[in-house]
Amino acid sequence: DGGITQSPKYLFRKEGQNVTLSCEQNLNHDAMYWYRQDPGQGLRLIYYSQIVNDFQKGDIAEGYSVSREKKESFPLTVTSAQKNPTAFYLCASSIYGVSYNEQFFGPGTRLTVL
Amino acid sequence: AQKITQTQPGMFVQEKEAVTLDCTYDTSDQSYGLFWYKQPSSGEMIFLIYQGSYDEQNATEGRYSLNFQKARKSANLVISASQLGDSAMYFCAMREGRGNYGQNFVFGPGTRLSVLP
Repeated sequence: DGGITQSPKYLFRKEGQNVTLSCEQNLNHDAMYWYRQDPGQGLRLIYYSQIVNDFQKGDIAEGYSVSREKKESFPLTVTSAQKNPTAFYLCASSIYGVSYNEQFFGPGTRLTVL
Repeated sequence: AQKITQTQPGMFVQEKEAVTLDCTYDTSDQSYGLFWYKQPSSGEMIFLIYQGSYDEQNATEGRYSLNFQKARKSANLVISASQLGDSAMYFCAMREGRGNYGQNFVFGPGTRLSVLP
């Protein structure tokens, strides 16, 4: 079955630690995205990537980093510079280049900083 | 400026009744797409329905329909015959342009729908 997987589902981190969230897709999509969602709020774009080895900052990129070495994978690192990282993180992918293709989402990772 | 506005933070509807969730958008592009997603308490985002800016007919998908009024820049979601399982957050989103730009989706703040038995 094609889809997007995110791991882990729940993640706990101590203050000052970096942590990496995994996102893998087998939909053969070029574009991948990372969003942050705080309780009761909408989605805010952290980073997006249109093709391998290329990515762009979204609205709230400070304190986060990404890589796109493979088409299927778009890991997100939450660094110690992110002052308030506790949130729900969603990864998504879509076909590149046309406006009518929806985004497909992974199940999300809930990050808690202790 | 907000590109997607959802003015109803929360809505209640009686089971089996219809409900309309409002969405207005702002864009200067001629080509864009509008999407609705459902997010249950589990957190997953479920795609519901799509409307293209050039589509002349309102989109429908089962119990979901989109009331698209281009001149007013509104794309309201109508859910007919509400079910208890429809209780969730609903997000309106827009994707502008095509080709090498406009690859981003912009999401509204969401509306929490509660279906009452």
